[in-house]
Amino acid sequence: KQEVTQIPAALSVPEGENLVLNCSFTDSAIYNLQWFRQDPGKGLTSLLLIQSSQREQTSGRLNASLDKSSGRSTLYIAASQPGDSATYLCAVRILTGGGNKLTFGTGTQLKVEL
Amino acid sequence: DAGVIQSPRHEVTEMGQEVTLRCKPISGHNSLFWYRQTMMRGLELLIYFNNNVPIDDSGMPEDRFSAKMPNASFSTLKIQPSEPRDSAVYFCASSLYREDQPQHFGDGTRLSIL
Repeated sequence: KQEVTQIPAALSVPEGENLVLNCSFTDSAIYNLQWFRQDPGKGLTSLLLIQSSQREQTSGRLNASLDKSSGRSTLYIAASQPGDSATYLCAVRILTGGGNKLTFGTGTQLKVEL
Repeated sequence: DAGVIQSPRHEVTEMGQEVTLRCKPISGHNSLFWYRQTMMRGLELLIYFNNNVPIDDSGMPEDRFSAKMPNASFSTLKIQPSEPRDSAVYFCASSLYREDQPQHFGDGTRLSIL
């Protein structure tokens, strides 16, 4: 059974700092990996999606990397801002008969302080 | 563009009552997912549909839970009878039926069973 873990569970940093969020998964037979952001009382917003054949994806100040063989992904946030405060979740799409099933990590709660 | 629309946003009811959650996916999306989020278990997939057909309902916790998708623009998740341990935030998400497409989430229904 695929298990997805995120470390740390919570993180507090001063504004302007670069930071890395970690995601690990137990079964490397994934189709792709997706990073989401969740604001309090809201749903999930998709940030980046990395196909299993890719090594990284970038969007603005965000960069996500994927090392499928070692079962790891990182989300790098450059020059963090208070508006980046949210919970970040990674999810892997597993190869099943249905093909479109996501398994979510436990999330990292990020707080960027002024 | 309208995103995934869920109703109601909040529901408080007494145990034993029937609860119906509603979801309107993004127009043109042909995959729909129901998730449940709790502090203890995180985000769990309950059931998903492709082209209105249920594909995997292995995440549905008990027979008290049922989901339908009568057409491409509407789905319901029903709990009957409801119990306090069903209290959670229920999310609906939709996507195109392709593994490389991201899922888009609604804002969720916060359900409290007293």
